[in-house]
Amino acid sequence: EVQLVESGGGLVQPGGSLRLSCAASGFTFSTHEMNWIRQAPGKGLEWVSYTTSSSSTRYYADSVKGRFTISRDNAKNTLYLQMDSLRVEDTAVYYCARGGNTGYPLNAFDLWGQGTTVTVS
Amino acid sequence: EIVLTQSPGTLSLSPGERATLSCRTSQSVSTSYLAWYQQKSGQAPRLLMYGTSNRAAGIPDRFSGSGSGTDFTLTISRLEPEDFAVYYCQRYGSSLTFGGGTKVEIK
Repeated sequence: EVQLVESGGGLVQPGGSLRLSCAASGFTFSTHEMNWIRQAPGKGLEWVSYTTSSSSTRYYADSVKGRFTISRDNAKNTLYLQMDSLRVEDTAVYYCARGGNTGYPLNAFDLWGQGTTVTVS
Repeated sequence: EIVLTQSPGTLSLSPGERATLSCRTSQSVSTSYLAWYQQKSGQAPRLLMYGTSNRAAGIPDRFSGSGSGTDFTLTISRLEPEDFAVYYCQRYGSSLTFGGGTKVEIK
């Protein structure tokens, strides 16, 4: 089955750290760009971070730049998000999502995980 | 920085009715780089449309997308009970930005 499964969410104090994981299966993970998107309680979607398939290019939203780090292990078919210096406003459901494999960068997100909840309090 | 503005915020309709959702962008967007997502309550979003008018895999043909420049539209020709959800537009290709969403609720 083609799927993404996030884990690692939880309750953390302001200033703390957390590492999210996203395990991919059923497709060739190493050929797809990947993203993290978050959704604060009752709010809309906010793109957080992006990585190319080879990790050669990574982008971050201004709201997390310098605090969050995206990475991936293609041998383990896993995407990560290291979150440091967490703030109350980082509280959200965090989704990983696959970018379409078009040969061009920054594709639409054609596969999403079910999300993992991060609470900073 | 591009801004995507969706309207209306909430659309109250009955099953069988036609839904028209708007997404306006603060800068012109290539039709190749505008997507729509559907998010049902308690679920992850899923891709509906990409490249303005291309349906993603498994999306029924009652969903259609159109537009160009700064004005884009998602149309649901006849609402089914499972279509009541929140819909987001997204610009991709040179940046990754979502609109604020339109909730389609049962009237």
